Amino acid sequence: GEQVEQLPSILRVQEGSSASINCTYENSASNYFPWYKQEPGENPKLIIDIRSNMERKQTQGLIVLLDKKAKRFSLHITDTQPGDSAMYFCAAKTGTGSNRLTFGKGTKFSLIP
Amino acid sequence: DAGVTQTPRHEVAEKGQTIILKCEPVSGHNDLFWYRQTKIQGLELLSYFRSKSLMEDGGAFKDRFKAEMLNSSFSTLKIQPTEPKDSAVYLCASSLANNNQAPLFGEGTRLSVL
Repeated sequence: GEQVEQLPSILRVQEGSSASINCTYENSASNYFPWYKQEPGENPKLIIDIRSNMERKQTQGLIVLLDKKAKRFSLHITDTQPGDSAMYFCAAKTGTGSNRLTFGKGTKFSLIP
Repeated sequence: DAGVTQTPRHEVAEKGQTIILKCEPVSGHNDLFWYRQTKIQGLELLSYFRSKSLMEDGGAFKDRFKAEMLNSSFSTLKIQPTEPKDSAVYLCASSLANNNQAPLFGEGTRLSVL
């Protein structure tokens, strides 16, 4: 199986600053790590992902880093804006032949007025 | 393209009732997942199907929860009998079976058990 720990559970930053969410996993066979954003009353939506053959990926103000040695991956939101306020979930997929994801407990992210 | 369709969007049940939640995956997707989402536990896997075959059945949910997939375009999740602690959002997701594709989620069914 797999266990994913996500921290922090609550994150508040000033608008325009950067924010980071960290996740760790246990199973060294995990090879795919997506991040989902969920706004109130809506379903989780994929925002970025990284595969185990990469260490860094960037798209539209989001950066994900993967450290396989430490079994740690992180999401960095640069230049935070009001539209970034939401729940964020990290996930890990273990092994071949299965697309089953194990999710972190989520981070509630918001901006300090 | 149609996404994952879940019905109903909201369900209110009395304790002890049987309820059936429905999901239509994205056409052509081979993998289908049922998750339960609560504030405390987050996203918990209930069932995972690949090409209609049950791949995983969440151990903690086996006694009163039963998911079925009788054809590739329709799945149901039956909860029998319901208990107040079953109040949660039930999410269905689907993906292609090739490795490393993130599942696409439906809008979910919000279940309240009184």
